[in-house]
Amino acid sequence: DMKVTQMPRYLIKRMGENVLLECGQDMSHETMYWYRQDPGLGLQLIYISYDVDSNSEGDIPKGYRVSRKKREHFSLILDSAKTNQTSVYFCASSLRGREQYFGPGTRLTVL
Amino acid sequence: QQNVQQSPESLIVPEGARTSLNCTFSDSASQYFWWYRQHSGKAPKALMSIFSNGEKEEGRFTIHLNKASLHFSLHIRDSQPSDSALYLCAVHDTNAYKVIFGKGTHLHVLP
Repeated sequence: DMKVTQMPRYLIKRMGENVLLECGQDMSHETMYWYRQDPGLGLQLIYISYDVDSNSEGDIPKGYRVSRKKREHFSLILDSAKTNQTSVYFCASSLRGREQYFGPGTRLTVL
Repeated sequence: QQNVQQSPESLIVPEGARTSLNCTFSDSASQYFWWYRQHSGKAPKALMSIFSNGEKEEGRFTIHLNKASLHFSLHIRDSQPSDSALYLCAVHDTNAYKVIFGKGTHLHVLP
């Protein structure tokens, strides 16, 4: 069963707190992605991971970092969260050039 | 940097209508073109793809691609209320790993 999971689904944090978003996939896909989605802005790429410990900045990496120590897990870390990082975060995985499978999303609110 | 634009931003059609959604891109070397559909509160899900110039039909959905004019489109025949969603076009960068999404077209099909 091809599946991408995300934890947690909902999160409320105060400005300055650290945030950890976790993503897992069971398809052995090499490539994984983190996006954020805001109304009117579409999906914006934060980071892309080509495989374990092989990560690359996307279009909006400032304020974020990632970790991928196992092929099936990809984490997004916000050090000292800011209010403008309130958003819905999606993780995705795919094979090169093929469809992306998205997780259900994490709705993050930073107060 | 690949630039992907969608039109229209929003579309309201009656049930049974034929609907056309448009997407333009800026890099003629792009090879992989996708449409994703995102129902409200859900994750994006791949709908259809096309990899070479021409047309591809799957049920009520048809994709057209014209690389020379940097344009591809999605056509929905006999639109249903269940088709109401945000439609995102996506173009893979020339290395085929990075995916650039348009900002989306909100489609509303009235019963």
